[in-house]
This record gives sequence, C-alpha cells and structure tokens, in this order.
Amino acid sequence: DVKVTQSSRYLVKRTGEKVFLECVQDMDHENMFWYRQDPGLGLRLIYFSYDVKMKEKGDIPEGYSVSREKKERFSLILESASTNQTSMYLCASRLTAGTGELFFGEGSRLTVL
Amino acid sequence: QKEVEQDPGPLSVPEGAIVSLNCTYSNSAFQYFMWYRQYSRKGPELLMYTYSSGNKEDGRFTAQVDKSSKYISLFIRDSQPSDSATYLCAMSANTGFQKLVFGTGTRLLVSP
Repeated sequence: DVKVTQSSRYLVKRTGEKVFLECVQDMDHENMFWYRQDPGLGLRLIYFSYDVKMKEKGDIPEGYSVSREKKERFSLILESASTNQTSMYLCASRLTAGTGELFFGEGSRLTVL
Repeated sequence: QKEVEQDPGPLSVPEGAIVSLNCTYSNSAFQYFMWYRQYSRKGPELLMYTYSSGNKEDGRFTAQVDKSSKYISLFIRDSQPSDSATYLCAMSANTGFQKLVFGTGTRLLVSP
C-alpha cells in the first residue's frame, strides 16, 4: 500500500521560531511537493522537487525553504515562523511518468502564536 | 479571476440523492482532469481521472468533461453518508511537468 508520511500531525510554534516539517514516501517516486491548504484558497503549491537535490519554487515560496537530500524525504522549513503561516501543510508525491496522480500525506496542522 | 472556480458549498443532500459537483476553468490548455476526495483531517485522495473531453464512469461515480464550455462535473449516484467529504477538482495542461491547479473544494454532506 502506497504511503506518504508526515511526521507531525499537529504543531504549535511561536512567532520567530524555526519549524521543520518532514515528509517521507515509500513509493520510490521522483517528484515531491509541499502545499498549504487554507479555507477559501484551496491548495497552493509552495515548493516541489522533481528529483534528489532538485527544487523549484511553486506559487507561494516566500518565507519557506525546502531540502531533499534523499529520494524518499522532502522537508519544508520555515526559517522564522509568522502568524500568517498558520495553516494545514500537505506533502505529496508522484511518479514523473504516468497519470500524474498525486499521493498525499495526512497533513500537518501548524499553528503559529 | 481564478484559473479554476469551484463552489465551496456546503452542499447538503439526503441519502440516495444524485449529487452533481462542478468546476469551471479559464485555461484552454488544460487536458488532464481529476477529482480528489478529502475526508476531514485527512489528505486528498484521487477519485477520478479523465483525459480531454468525455465521460468516465467508476461505480457510483461519473466524471464528465466539456472542454468547449470549460466545465467539468462529478456525479455521485445513490449518495451515502460515507460520501460526506470535500471534493476538489484539479487539472493540468499537456506539458512535460504536469503542474496541477486545484479548485478550492466543495464540501458535501449526505444525511441518513
């Protein structure tokens, strides 16, 4: 069974803290993605990686960075968390070839106080 | 104007009803159309996938694409309480890297 695992389901952080969100997939997928999901705004792409050590900015990369040192792991980093980064963060992966189906993790709900 | 528009709902129906969920889009380059279902506190999961225009049926679910009108639909027959979820449409153009554009999702509530 395919699986995308996000290490933290719920986090509460303070403004200015550095935050790491980890994502691991066990499907040998080349592509990995980080989205944030907000009411009324839907899913917005923050960053994606089409292979190890590769990364591309999505639609809303400001305030975020990513790291992909191994194929199965994709990390999202908030260097200095702000209250407007309170959101649901979703990691996804997929094969480069094929239908383009995204496999999502269960999400990480981040609250920044 | 958003690239993909979707009514947020909620859409409330009784069990057994036929449900119609819809999205409109503005980018005529979109070729791949998907419907994802997202249960509360879970990540989205792919429900239906279609390429270009036409219909596709899978059990109680039918996906319909009308590219001339830039309109896609998902029909659910004999709706069940377990269908209560948020339904997101997603689409992409025929490019080498298929960047998906999502609708905001429609929340569906099916009451027993």
